[in-house]
Amino acid sequence: AQSVTQLGSHVSVSEGALVLLRCNYSSSVPPYLFWYVQYPNQGLQLLLKYTTGATLVKGINGFEAEFKKSETSFHLTKPSAHMSDAAEYFCAVSGPGGYQKVTFGTGTKLQVIP
Amino acid sequence: DAGVTQSPTHLIKTRGQQVTLRCSPKSGHDTVSWYQQALGQGPQFIFQYYEEEERQRGNFPDRFSGHQFPNYSSELNVNALLLGDSALYLCASSRSDRRDTGELFFGEGSRLTVL
Repeated sequence: AQSVTQLGSHVSVSEGALVLLRCNYSSSVPPYLFWYVQYPNQGLQLLLKYTTGATLVKGINGFEAEFKKSETSFHLTKPSAHMSDAAEYFCAVSGPGGYQKVTFGTGTKLQVIP
Repeated sequence: DAGVTQSPTHLIKTRGQQVTLRCSPKSGHDTVSWYQQALGQGPQFIFQYYEEEERQRGNFPDRFSGHQFPNYSSELNVNALLLGDSALYLCASSRSDRRDTGELFFGEGSRLTVL
């Protein structure tokens, strides 16, 4: 079984400040890890993914995340928040392979204060 | 290139009724997964269809059923609706290719309200 835990259901940052959204995972097999973003009344869009190889992965809109196996973490960061980053962010995990069930966390709502 | 399309976008039903939601996957994708997202929650996996068969299923009762057609489109059916079934239902498509990274492409969802 796999699961993810997102710490903090709501995070507020000032525009231009560092964004840090936390995610810890549990998996009995080598995980694939994802961050998705959801804007109001829309579906989810992939920000970035880790499968194998380099543990620091870069995604769209300046976001990046680092896979730390020893800490079972996959935190999402962005050096400088922009107003357009306000949305809900979901961490997700699956087993290796393109046909595995993807399990999502409960989400973190990011508020950006001007 | 059309992405994942879902219909209807919104619908209202009463308790005990039945509902059918539809999904067309992204071009080139052969696998469809359905998720339920209650207000303020993360998406919960309902089931996944591949080659017209249910390949995996989450912890949902038999009232939830589905179908996949030869053109890879899919339907989600929910019988005997309960108030707790009110949610955003998301369809996600992917390719069942071992080289694929498991990325899901989501539609914008069907918002179901049960009164």
